[in-house]
Amino acid sequence: SAVISQKPSRDICQRGTSLTIQCQVDSQVTMMFWYRQQPGQSLTLIATANQGSEATYESGFVIDKFPISRPNLTFSTLTVSNMSPEDSSIYLCSARDRVNTEAFFGQGTRLTVV
Amino acid sequence: EDQVTQSPEALRLQEGESSSLNCSYTVSGLRGLFWYRQDPGKGPEFLFTLYSAGEEKEKERLKATLTKKESFLHITAPKPEDSATYLCAADSWGKLQFGAGTQVVVTP
Repeated sequence: SAVISQKPSRDICQRGTSLTIQCQVDSQVTMMFWYRQQPGQSLTLIATANQGSEATYESGFVIDKFPISRPNLTFSTLTVSNMSPEDSSIYLCSARDRVNTEAFFGQGTRLTVV
Repeated sequence: EDQVTQSPEALRLQEGESSSLNCSYTVSGLRGLFWYRQDPGKGPEFLFTLYSAGEEKEKERLKATLTKKESFLHITAPKPEDSATYLCAADSWGKLQFGAGTQVVVTP
């Protein structure tokens, strides 16, 4: 199983600023994803982080708001830009080696925007 | 439209009182059905993946089953440490679509 580390684990940010979340996997993985979990709700997929190319965003999420990088097979970042209180959520990184294998999650980053 | 629905939303059990959680799905290109456990303030912890109807998997007091339209997570003789939110997710072409979860509380 893959071990996924996220940093920071939590942060409180001022509205209008940006926060970059880092995700480090302890082994090379084919697929990395970013999810959002709003208070009391389930997980919603933001985007698939593609190594060496632009991320693939789900409906309702755009690159200008959530730019994603994936420079190699073990690391990805998600930036939450121009934050508003509505962005207060838990952001989760997920990794899997390929389809038909397990998908593992980091511990999440709890973001509060004030 | 792809959809994953879990029931009940919440479940309160006495220690030792067995029960089942339901996950119904309508997903095109289903590649697998995942079950996770999530404790407050933590990321989801992988429990099971089921790939075909009729498949069953067990881990301690948990047993997951799969049909063509739904999956069940059976909790046998639960203990207080089984208290958590249980999430199911349908794998559609490599991406997981999650249900809303079932919050389980097991009291001594």
